[in-house]
Amino acid sequence: DADVTQTPRNRITKTGKRIMLECSQTKGHDRMYWYRQDPGLGLRLIYYSFDVKDINKGEISDGYSVSRQAQAKFSLSLESAIPNQTALYFCATSELTSGRQETQYFGPGTRLLVL
Amino acid sequence: AQSVTQPDIHITVSEGASLELRCNYSYGATPYLFWYVQSPGQGLQLLLKYFSGDTLVQGIKGFEAEFKRSQSSFNLRKPSVHWSDAAEYFCAVGFSGSARQLTFGSGTQLTVLP
Repeated sequence: DADVTQTPRNRITKTGKRIMLECSQTKGHDRMYWYRQDPGLGLRLIYYSFDVKDINKGEISDGYSVSRQAQAKFSLSLESAIPNQTALYFCATSELTSGRQETQYFGPGTRLLVL
Repeated sequence: AQSVTQPDIHITVSEGASLELRCNYSYGATPYLFWYVQSPGQGLQLLLKYFSGDTLVQGIKGFEAEFKRSQSSFNLRKPSVHWSDAAEYFCAVGFSGSARQLTFGSGTQLTVLP
């Protein structure tokens, strides 16, 4: 089984609809992240969470919200989807080692199309 | 602000040829460096990482990368490319004290000719 799973893998929605993307992990990591990928732009950070009670905005949080329901679950919501939110969305997890080193591990991605 | 540059948007090599993908970063702090690969329709897989120590690091699938502080670079290399290496490659940089956030390059698309 994959360590980081994302549901759905593909989604088509209409402008103005609310949509939720879900991420679950079995790695036991405290830290979780949401990124979006656009062609030619690499990955950009939307939100991140260091534990269940910690939520932080990333580089491009406008139009998005998140919920950390448990250590293993981190959801991303688009309250009112717009076409420029069409992108590939990745969830990632990590843990901080005693040497303060951190490696992020990514899920398979959710491809979202907003019409 | 920190930034990562992958100057080559697209590289084409023949199978069996050597490969070097370039990555440069800008920031004054000590970097953590990563290379990820994204195969078509797949997520990002970690190829290798550098935190400290030996500046030449070995990764999976026969890849290696060398950190050169004087050049602010972390180029990815492979001596002999296989057709299955065709994918998009991303360099990412984090910095001590800001490990919560990685900055990604825009990616290099690798095409392998038979």
